[in-house]
Amino acid sequence: SQQGEEDPQALSIQEGENATMNCSYKTSINNLQWYRQNSGRGLVHLILIRSNEREKHSGRLRVTLDTSKKSSSLLITASRAADTASYFCATVSMNRDDKIIFGKGTRLHILP
Amino acid sequence: GAGVSQTPSNKVTEKGKYVELRCDPISGHTALYWYRQSLGQGPEFLIYFQGTGAADDSGLPNDRFFAVRPEGSVSTLKIQRTERGDSAVYLCASSPTSLKYNEQFFGPGTRLTVL
Repeated sequence: SQQGEEDPQALSIQEGENATMNCSYKTSINNLQWYRQNSGRGLVHLILIRSNEREKHSGRLRVTLDTSKKSSSLLITASRAADTASYFCATVSMNRDDKIIFGKGTRLHILP
Repeated sequence: GAGVSQTPSNKVTEKGKYVELRCDPISGHTALYWYRQSLGQGPEFLIYFQGTGAADDSGLPNDRFFAVRPEGSVSTLKIQRTERGDSAVYLCASSPTSLKYNEQFFGPGTRLTVL
């Protein structure tokens, strides 16, 4: 089963614009993680945000977490062609911290 | 240092055959995970090892799937009597300890095609 649901499923924007992807989940979490995947192969970890955190930054990435709404967003500022990839949110449950559940992902395409 | 490696990178087999997929985690990582990913979907959890033992195998779809990690390092995912529906990318990931504190590090995956 997949807990996280990303929105939108696909997103195309012009290079230089900002890209925002959203994730909703169902159960109480210990942390939420965002991953990027190029060409359907290995995933790369981007950011981990804990349930007691509200916002986190890493370079051009900004992640927010609203536990009351059970939602998170990933913002990529000043997008580049190299940002074209699929982005997944994944949740680690409060009760099962040995398991991570991935959503279906958002396919981001940066137009030149 | 070396990341997670998986072999083979691609495997084509015929329906009914047996296959083994190998994962070499990052040295010292006690947690190891196997996932299966179909086109357009997120990774689907299969099995999780903490050390040598399978702590959670609830994601294995049926008894044709089995995984081992005999020495707490390398793991092998074994699929018996393969079916066309088993075609997917099989991903392995490792983590230093618990996901409560750490992210996962993924290998490049093995693309399995069952003809």
